[in-house]
Amino acid sequence: AQKVTQAQTEISVVEKEDVTLDCVYETRDTTYYLFWYKQPPSGELVFLIRRNSFDEQNEISGRYSWNFQKSTSSFNFTITASQVVDSAVYFCALLSSGSARQLTFGSGTQLTVLP
Amino acid sequence: DTEVTQTPKHLVMGMTNKKSLKCEQHMGHRAMYWYKQKAKKPPELMFVYSYEKLSINESVPSRFSPECPNSSLLNLHLHALQPEDSALYLCASSQERSLAGVNEQFFGPGTRLTVL
Repeated sequence: AQKVTQAQTEISVVEKEDVTLDCVYETRDTTYYLFWYKQPPSGELVFLIRRNSFDEQNEISGRYSWNFQKSTSSFNFTITASQVVDSAVYFCALLSSGSARQLTFGSGTQLTVLP
Repeated sequence: DTEVTQTPKHLVMGMTNKKSLKCEQHMGHRAMYWYKQKAKKPPELMFVYSYEKLSINESVPSRFSPECPNSSLLNLHLHALQPEDSALYLCASSQERSLAGVNEQFFGPGTRLTVL
């Protein structure tokens, strides 16, 4: 069985603050893939990053960074110097090698960045 | 072109109507997906097509009928829907499995469906 937990339902920050979105996952497979998607009010799910289970290297892309730790089964997402345009629902998702193409989504975190 | 397009953006239909949702991608992806998303919930997988063949049907009621006429198009035919079927319907596509493993899914903007 697979499970993704995003314990933070809603987060509000003021513009330029840093914010970290938490993601904890469960899977019995040794090979799996983790994803983050952003869903703005328009509805489209925007792909942000994919991380393979065998690659624990952290990644930075502009103001975005991701911290993957297998020891704690976490794949956290940090936005540095947040902007109003970052306001969206963010989903963490898991796909195990044994689960065909079934993405298991977390419940999502609504991020609101206030001006 | 890294875009998945969906039409219409909004659809209102009665319970006796027949309508279709359309999805198109030109990224050469051979896997295409339909998801249903209720408000404040994550997307739920409905169907997966691989090389134009239905490979996964997540026990979706028969009032939803998918169709994949070619490698770029995916349709979802709707008939005799219920008000509880009102939701955002998302289409996605991805490359089929590669040596790198599974690939990320790219989503369209969705169709907001309201069933009266």
